[in-house]
Amino acid sequence: EVQLVESGGGLVQPGGSLRLSCAASGFTFSNYEMNWVRQAPGKGLEWVSYISSGDNTIYYADSVKGRFTISRDNAKSSLFLQMNSLRVDDTAIYYCARDRGSGYYLDTWGQGTLVTVSS
Amino acid sequence: DIQMTQSPSSLSASVGDRVTITCRASQRIALYLNWYQQRPGKAPKLLIDAADNLQSGVPSRFSGSGSGTDFTLTISSLQPEDFATYYCQQGYSTPPTFGQGTKVEIK
Repeated sequence: EVQLVESGGGLVQPGGSLRLSCAASGFTFSNYEMNWVRQAPGKGLEWVSYISSGDNTIYYADSVKGRFTISRDNAKSSLFLQMNSLRVDDTAIYYCARDRGSGYYLDTWGQGTLVTVSS
Repeated sequence: DIQMTQSPSSLSASVGDRVTITCRASQRIALYLNWYQQRPGKAPKLLIDAADNLQSGVPSRFSGSGSGTDFTLTISSLQPEDFATYYCQQGYSTPPTFGQGTKVEIK
């Protein structure tokens, strides 16, 4: 079964850091591009970041550029999101999503991990 | 960035109704349009990609159409499990952007 499982969310103060992880199983992780997408409480979906299968291409949303870093470990079938200088408006459920490629076809999503930024 | 605008933002319908949701892109995106369903408390699920390609396992009452700037998601006969929020998303350019969502509620 194809599965993505996020972890690492929690409560952090403004200006703090968190590292999210996404463990993939049931497919050849190294063959797929990956994304992070977030959803603020009661709001819509917002794309955060993309990484190619060989991690040579990376993109970020303007709202997180310079503060977040996406990375992957293909040997461990894992995706990461290092989040620094967190702000209150970064509060959201963060989903990792598998990308079939060539058009951001997000065909598999994890259950999400909640990040709350509050003092 | 390409803006995606869905209409309506919400609708009330009964089981068995035909439901249509529209999505408009701020510039032409060819067929790079995907539709997702999100049930309360759950992750989004890809229903349709490339404007009209139904994903494996998705009931045939769901269909998508359109190209360029105007797209439609149709549910031919609404079922109880279809009450959810639906999002369109363009994959034509980076950043990929989502519509604001259409919440389908029970009448």
